[in-house]
Amino acid sequence: GQQLNQSPQSMFIQEGEDVSMNCTSSSIFNTWLWYKQEPGEGPVLLIALYKAGELTSNGRLTAQFGITRKDSFLNISASIPSDVGIYFCAGLNLQGGSEKLVFGKGTKLTVNP
Amino acid sequence: DGGITQSPKYLFRKEGQNVTLSCEQNLNHDAMYWYRQDPGQGLRLIYYSQIVNDFQKGDIAEGYSVSREKKESFPLTVTSAQKNPTAFYLCASKWRANTEAFFGQGTRLTVV
Repeated sequence: GQQLNQSPQSMFIQEGEDVSMNCTSSSIFNTWLWYKQEPGEGPVLLIALYKAGELTSNGRLTAQFGITRKDSFLNISASIPSDVGIYFCAGLNLQGGSEKLVFGKGTKLTVNP
Repeated sequence: DGGITQSPKYLFRKEGQNVTLSCEQNLNHDAMYWYRQDPGQGLRLIYYSQIVNDFQKGDIAEGYSVSREKKESFPLTVTSAQKNPTAFYLCASKWRANTEAFFGQGTRLTVV
């Protein structure tokens, strides 16, 4: 099936530092989505990207839809302790009328105060 | 309140028993999804449905079954054929085509 390669797998940073994570694939996607998950909860949508080259911000978060439509990145600026969690990328491919939504394996973020 | 409801939050079953996990949404979403999450594995797609009375296998459908008799409901049955059923199960839904998906709170299934 379609695979999303998300990196890094984990990050340990100091409060105030900036964070960058990315997802790549050999497949083209129509939509890239970024989620954050806290322990025992369902993922919460952070940012949705719909067009190649699109750059979207949500507060301290910025994400971009790669120009080739095969990758996306998420940046978090000036991290704070509540940014701790697992961040997932997801890709939606509408080819052939399918709406298969696939996920990366996640980036676990730890922020030291 | 509008949203996606999974129940129960925690579920325990004996090995060899089938168990059905509930997912209901009142958002008028067309597509619904079931994912399985194991530690360090991310979210793996089990089944998805784009319309009532139709569904497609995801990447790990073996040992699972679903139905979509109503737009708002997409129950998942974990059968005794699933070799390692203990996991966190997540349901999601979205409108058709190029839109974002939203998740329920998950059901943690433990088979003993």
